[in-house]
Amino acid sequence: AQSVTQLDSQVPVFEEAPVELRCNYSSSVSVYLFWYVQYPNQGLQLLLKYLSGSTLVKGINGFEAEFNKSQTSFHLRKPSVHISDTAEYFCAVSPSGTYKYIFGTGTRLKVLA
Amino acid sequence: GAGVSQSPSNKVTEKGKDVELRCDPISGHTALYWYRQSLGQGLEFLIYFQGNSAPDKSGLPSDRFSAERTGGSVSTLTIQRTQQEDSAVYLCASTPIVSPNYGYTFGSGTRLTVV
Repeated sequence: AQSVTQLDSQVPVFEEAPVELRCNYSSSVSVYLFWYVQYPNQGLQLLLKYLSGSTLVKGINGFEAEFNKSQTSFHLRKPSVHISDTAEYFCAVSPSGTYKYIFGTGTRLKVLA
Repeated sequence: GAGVSQSPSNKVTEKGKDVELRCDPISGHTALYWYRQSLGQGLEFLIYFQGNSAPDKSGLPSDRFSAERTGGSVSTLTIQRTQQEDSAVYLCASTPIVSPNYGYTFGSGTRLTVV
């Protein structure tokens, strides 16, 4: 069975500092990988996705993520965060050939002034 | 429409009552998905539709939950005899077809509170 682990439930960081949100997965088949962001009282918005090809994926709002197959990780990074990045971030995997996403439990990013 | 629309945005209901949650996907999207987001947990898959048919209902928690989709567009998730453990945010998403290439487009969700 597939699973997604986001070890950090909350990450506080000062404005303009870099941030990394960790995501590890387990799967016996190849997967597609996604990061979503959820602002308060809103639905989830796609930040970026990895389907194939280059392991470094760039998304919206200056975020990027790197797929590491050997470590089964897909960590999300941003070199300099803004107050407006305060939100909850979800990592998800979709085993190839399926339609379901398996989501992690989310990481709440709080950017401090 | 331009985005995925869900209604109502908030619903408070008494234990034992039935509720209907509505999802209007992006026009032309043939695939529609329902997820449940409970406090402190990730998103839990409930059901998905390809057109009007639901090939996979395995995520529905019990037989109190049902869903339908008509005209390949609007979908309704019905919860009968609601229980307090049904309290959650119910999210709907759609994609043009069943493919990971697109990523889900989510609605804003319906927050259900059972009192």
